[in-house]
Amino acid sequence: NAGVMQNPRHLVRRRGQEARLRCSPMKGHSHVYWYRQLPEEGLKFMVYLQKENIIDESGMPKERFSAEFPKEGPSILRIQQVVRGDSAAYFCASSPRPGSTDTQYFGPGTRLTVL
Amino acid sequence: GQQVMQIPQYQHVQEGEDFTTYCNSSTTLSNIQWYKQRPGGHPVFLIQLVKSGEVKKQKRLTFQFGEAKKNSSLHITATQTTDVGTYFCAYPRGSSNTGKLIFGQGTTLQVKP
Repeated sequence: NAGVMQNPRHLVRRRGQEARLRCSPMKGHSHVYWYRQLPEEGLKFMVYLQKENIIDESGMPKERFSAEFPKEGPSILRIQQVVRGDSAAYFCASSPRPGSTDTQYFGPGTRLTVL
Repeated sequence: GQQVMQIPQYQHVQEGEDFTTYCNSSTTLSNIQWYKQRPGGHPVFLIQLVKSGEVKKQKRLTFQFGEAKKNSSLHITATQTTDVGTYFCAYPRGSSNTGKLIFGQGTTLQVKP
């Protein structure tokens, strides 16, 4: 049973470009969470999605960031017109249920570097 | 609002020494989870504590949840170089059906052989 998959593992973008980060949850999991980790800091919640629905986006910046989890295919975190401050590790996690006591399984992350 | 403080931020120990990290909340938590992140790696779930005063052990690791469910600790006995990494506590926030986690700042453990 493959774990959570993320790609690319490393992404380099120049300021103003777009970044697309993909996440495939574990088999059987329909709940996806995105977290951002700045260097030397903890993880910060960004968004929680179920298939075709955004449930909680309270941690998403108001501009340039969007996320989706289509019926078919991976979840996508999209960052438009990237700036240097977007450089961070972006982790996706999945769980089989949305409950607060359910374990979240993290993917290997995408390390975004903005030049 | 609810927040959790994790201390210390860094800890350097000699191999064989013990290590403890603490997580303190200003309000009562429904449960608390602990994760380990190796350098360059991703968070890996270690354990979840739910009950007041709960104590759980995993080999050399001992996890405690305070009686008031406002604090928790992770204790490692006789550290090894494989214990190196950052240990995070995390708790769920929001309505019961969202499951989003709020992470502490983490404690980074360095073990000198």
